[in-house]
Amino acid sequence: EVQLLESGGGLVQPGGSLRLSCTASGFTFTTYAMSWVRQAPGKELEWVSGVARSGDTYYADSVKGRFTIARDNFKNTVYLQMNSLRPEDTAVYHCAKQSDGNGRYPLDSWGQGTLVTVSS
Amino acid sequence: DIVMSQSPDSLAVSLGERASINCTSSQSLFYSPYNKNYLAWYQHKPGQPPKLLIYWASTRESGVPDRFSGSGFGTDFTLTISSLQAEDVALYYCQQYYNTPPLTFGPGTRVDIK
Repeated sequence: EVQLLESGGGLVQPGGSLRLSCTASGFTFTTYAMSWVRQAPGKELEWVSGVARSGDTYYADSVKGRFTIARDNFKNTVYLQMNSLRPEDTAVYHCAKQSDGNGRYPLDSWGQGTLVTVSS
Repeated sequence: DIVMSQSPDSLAVSLGERASINCTSSQSLFYSPYNKNYLAWYQHKPGQPPKLLIYWASTRESGVPDRFSGSGFGTDFTLTISSLQAEDVALYYCQQYYNTPPLTFGPGTRVDIK
């Protein structure tokens, strides 16, 4: 059974940083692309960032230059380093597995999510 | 970026009746070399992560009840629940994965019981 367990969320002041982690199990981690998707309160789902099997990384314009995604294939973990956080980054952040190795595939498994709140 | 829209914003359907949700993309999601439409549907219930229902516009994910079906081509797609059950109350999102980044989602359609 695929399991994705996020951690690292919390309350941070504007301009601060957080690192989210997503530990995966139940599948061959190295085979698949992984993404982070967020949902702000009362808003729709928003894709944030992705990392392909190859290690290539992709970002939404709203986070480019502030967020960095990385994967550790030895630890079966994907990270999202979030810097220069803004109040509009407040959201539940979900880790999601894509159904193949690059970004042109659907998100077939999702974690429960971790809440990030950016507020003074 | 490809913009996704959905209609209606919400709908209420009697138990056992049909529910249909429409999704439109700002450009075609059909990739002719693979003969596929790069469109997925997700179900999202409060307190749970989103769940993949349909991909390639009409392929049902393993374990998804067959009352859920997807159809459409190019820029216009439909998710149909043939006989609404109480457990189907949720938000439903369409999403394109044709042109990434970014993956883009529709704004969601809320389905309730009438």
